[in-house]
Amino acid sequence: QSVLTQPPSVSGAPGQRVTISCTGSSSNIGTGYDVHWYQQLPGTAPKLLIYGNTNRPSGVPDRFSASKSGTSASLAITGLQAEDEADYYCQSYDTTLSNVVFGGGTKLTVL
Amino acid sequence: EVQLVESGGGLVQPGGSLRLSCVASGLGIRSRDMHWVRQVTGKDLEWVSGIAIAGDTYYADSVKGRFTISREDGKNSLYLQMNSLRAGDTAVYYCVRARHLTGKENTWFDIWGLGTPVTVSS
Repeated sequence: QSVLTQPPSVSGAPGQRVTISCTGSSSNIGTGYDVHWYQQLPGTAPKLLIYGNTNRPSGVPDRFSASKSGTSASLAITGLQAEDEADYYCQSYDTTLSNVVFGGGTKLTVL
Repeated sequence: EVQLVESGGGLVQPGGSLRLSCVASGLGIRSRDMHWVRQVTGKDLEWVSGIAIAGDTYYADSVKGRFTISREDGKNSLYLQMNSLRAGDTAVYYCVRARHLTGKENTWFDIWGLGTPVTVSS
C-alpha cells in the first residue's frame, strides 16, 4: 500500500479536463514537503511532468498544471489529447519513513 | 543529449547477487545526487537508494544491509551492488538524476534511464 494515495484510474474524452488527486498525510505532504508528478507512457520510463508543486520543466505543455493544499495535491490536464493516455505518479517525502515516497499511480484513459 | 543507460539486470536465484551499472552521457554523475528507483509489476514505484554529491549514501529500509550504491567519477558511472536477493526485489531498476532547491527532502528526479529488469526466482 502506497503512502500517497491516488485513484487507480481516471478517464476523459478528447478536449475535456481531468484531475488526478494525490492524498498524503501529516508526515509527508502535510508537513510542507513538495509534490512532484511524473508521466509514464506505455513501455517507457517515467518522465518528469511537474516539480516543486507547480512548476513545469521545459517542453511540458501548459495543458498540465498542478496544485497543493493541506495534505493533498492535484494534477490537472486540460484539452485532453490521445497522447496523454499514460500512468501518472505523484512523489513527495515522508518524514516517518525518512525517504522519498511515490503514489500508487493513476492510469489515464482517453475515451 | 543527456542520457542514462543501465545494464546488469537479469535472472538470479534467491540469495544471489547482481551488480547494476548506469553510464551517463551528456551530464556528469559527480555534479548531482544520483539515485536508483525500482518499479514492481509495471506499476508501483519505490525509491531504493541514493548517493549525494559529497558521497553520503542512503537506502530504503527494505534493502539496507543488502544493497550498496557507489559511483565512479572517472567512468561517469553509478552502480548498485545487490546481495542476498529476494523475490520481492524483482522489478525494473531505474537510474535517476536528482535535483532539489530547498533541501534534500524536496528532491525530484529530472532524468531517468531506460531501466534494467531484475528477476529473482528459482
